Amino acid sequence: QVQLVQSGAEVKKPAASVKISCKASGYTFTNNAIHWVRQAPGQRPEWMGWINAGSGGAKYSQKLQDRVTITRDTSASTAYMELSSLTSEDTAVYYCARTLVGTITFDYWGQGTLVTVSS
Amino acid sequence: EIVMTQSPVTLSVSPGERATLSCRASQSVTSNLAWYQQKPGQAPRLLIYGASTRATGIPARFSGSGSGTEFTLSISSLQSEDFAVYYCQQYNKWPLTFGGGTKVEIK
Repeated sequence: QVQLVQSGAEVKKPAASVKISCKASGYTFTNNAIHWVRQAPGQRPEWMGWINAGSGGAKYSQKLQDRVTITRDTSASTAYMELSSLTSEDTAVYYCARTLVGTITFDYWGQGTLVTVSS
Repeated sequence: EIVMTQSPVTLSVSPGERATLSCRASQSVTSNLAWYQQKPGQAPRLLIYGASTRATGIPARFSGSGSGTEFTLSISSLQSEDFAVYYCQQYNKWPLTFGGGTKVEIK
């Protein structure tokens, strides 16, 4: 069965960086794009960016493009999202999600990783 | 960016009744609209894509309609497991954007 398993919760100080992993299993990793979506407490989901797991090409939201980097390791079937220059406004649950082929919707999601930014 | 607005913010419904949720886009998204269900502490779950196509395993009581800027998610007979927050998402233009959600609560 398809699974996306993310790394554990993180607590970071302002100005630090965080890198979250998303390990895929149950399907051919390079066949589906992986997107990253975050959700601050009580807020709507916010799309951050995506990576073509096959080619490695990535695209980011304009709001975050100076601070976010999405990569992948095909040998490990794992995608990564790194966010730098953290502030308290980056406190959120971060999700990776697989796209449903032929759409840009998300049929499988990771369990979420809580990132808390606090001094 | 395309702004997605959902209404109502909260919908109080009795089990067995019908629920109708609305989603409006600030500009046309054609039929590139999805609906998700989210329960506390869980990731969103894809219900509908292409405005009206149910995702794999989604019960027939969930249906989507609309195109352009106006969309509707209907739940024909609410079950206990359907009380949750529902989000719409457009994928017609970058950046992908989500609505603010409708919380369906027990009346």
